[in-house]
Amino acid sequence: DGGITQSPKYLFRKEGQNVTLSCEQNLNHDAMYWYRQDPGQGLRLIYYSQIVNDFQKGDIAEGYSVSREKKESFPLTVTSAQKNPTAFYLCASSPPVRDTQYFGPGTRLTVL
Amino acid sequence: ELKVEQNPLFLSMQEGKNYTIYCNYSTTSDRLYWYRQDPGKSLESLFVLLSNGAVKQEGRLMASLDTKARLSTLHITAAVHDLSATYFCAVDSGETSGSRLTFGEGTQLTVNP
Repeated sequence: DGGITQSPKYLFRKEGQNVTLSCEQNLNHDAMYWYRQDPGQGLRLIYYSQIVNDFQKGDIAEGYSVSREKKESFPLTVTSAQKNPTAFYLCASSPPVRDTQYFGPGTRLTVL
Repeated sequence: ELKVEQNPLFLSMQEGKNYTIYCNYSTTSDRLYWYRQDPGKSLESLFVLLSNGAVKQEGRLMASLDTKARLSTLHITAAVHDLSATYFCAVDSGETSGSRLTFGEGTQLTVNP
């Protein structure tokens, strides 16, 4: 089955720790995205990548980092510089032609 | 900066009734998407609207796009409880490859028996 997987589903972080969220897709999509969703709000773009070894900052990139070494994978690191990281994180991908984005199941991050 | 506004943000309606959700956006775009999100879940794509005057229908939901007015509507016909969810519109910023979307805040729909 083609799709997007994210792991872990739930993640707990102590203050001062860096954590990495995994996103993998087997849809052969070139573009991948990371969004953050806070309770009762819409999605905000953190980073996106349109091709391997290239990525751009979104609207709220501060305190986050990404890499895109493989087409299938786009991991997100939440660094200690992100002061309020508790949120629901969604990964998405889309084909080269401007089309809808397909979303993974999400990772819920909580800072203890 | 592209801004996307939805209204209403909260909608409580009775089964069998009709209603419309509105999505306004601030800059020119020819692509708009509607998504559904159930509580605690991810987003599911509902409609892709690619040009002025586009209309798409699926079951009790119908979406339309007026690029001149920078307005999209999601019309609900004869609502049923299963339609209870949060609905988001998202506007494409117009980059040539891939897509960069700006989302509205979402409309939380509750359909009561």
